[in-house]
Amino acid sequence: AQRVTQPEKLLSVFKGAPVELKCNYSYSGSPELFWYVQYSRQRLQLLLRHISRESIKGFTADLNKGETSFHLKKPFAQEEDSAMYYCALSLSNFGNEKLTFGTGTRLTIIP
Amino acid sequence: ETGVTQTPRHLVMGMTNKKSLKCEQHLGHNAMYWYKQSAKKPLELMFVYNFKEQTENNSVPSRFSPECPNSSHLFLHLHTLQPEDSALYLCASSQESQASGNFGELFFGEGSRLTVL
Repeated sequence: AQRVTQPEKLLSVFKGAPVELKCNYSYSGSPELFWYVQYSRQRLQLLLRHISRESIKGFTADLNKGETSFHLKKPFAQEEDSAMYYCALSLSNFGNEKLTFGTGTRLTIIP
Repeated sequence: ETGVTQTPRHLVMGMTNKKSLKCEQHLGHNAMYWYKQSAKKPLELMFVYNFKEQTENNSVPSRFSPECPNSSHLFLHLHTLQPEDSALYLCASSQESQASGNFGELFFGEGSRLTVL
C-alpha cells in the first residue's frame, strides 16, 4: 500500500534562511506527487505538483526516485511562508484524484 | 458563494443522534470527496463520487453514509457514531481530467468539526 511520510511535525527557520521540508513515499508504481499548504485561517490548497515542474512562491520540489523522496525547498524563507505543509501522493491514472497525504509539517518562520 | 462550502462548521452530537454534513461546490467540478482529519493522523480519504456515482469507499464503517444527489452537492449522513469519530471532516472537489490541466488539484472546503459525546 502507498504511504507518505513527513518526519518533521514542526520546523522553525529564521527569515532569509533556506527551508527544506522532507517528504518520503512508498509506492510500487510510478508516483505523482504534490505539496499542499494551509495558511492560518485558510483552507487547504495545492502549492505545487511534480508533474508541472513548477516553482510557486519560490518553492520547488524534486522527485528523487532512488531515495523515494519529494522534499520541498526554498532558498530564502519569508514570514508569509509560515503554514502547515502536506505532501501527497496520487494513485490517479487519469482518473479520480485519490490523494494519500502525509501527517504534515508546521513551518514557522522566525522574524 | 464560490468554491466549496461546508455546513455546519461545528457539530456536537450524542452517540444515538442522527445528523448530516453538507457540502456544496460552485466550481462546476464533476468529482467530490469526503476526507477525515483526526489529530496526529494524516488526512484519510473516505468516499469519492464521480458524476454522482460512488467510485471509492475506503473501508468506511456503515455508520457513515454518503449521498450525492448531483455533481454539486455531497452529504455525509451520520448515525450512531462513536467518540473516536470526532474529527474534522473535509469535503473537496476536482475536475476529473488530466487534460484540464488541474491534475491532482483538489479544492477543499473549510471543514465541519464534529464532536461525538
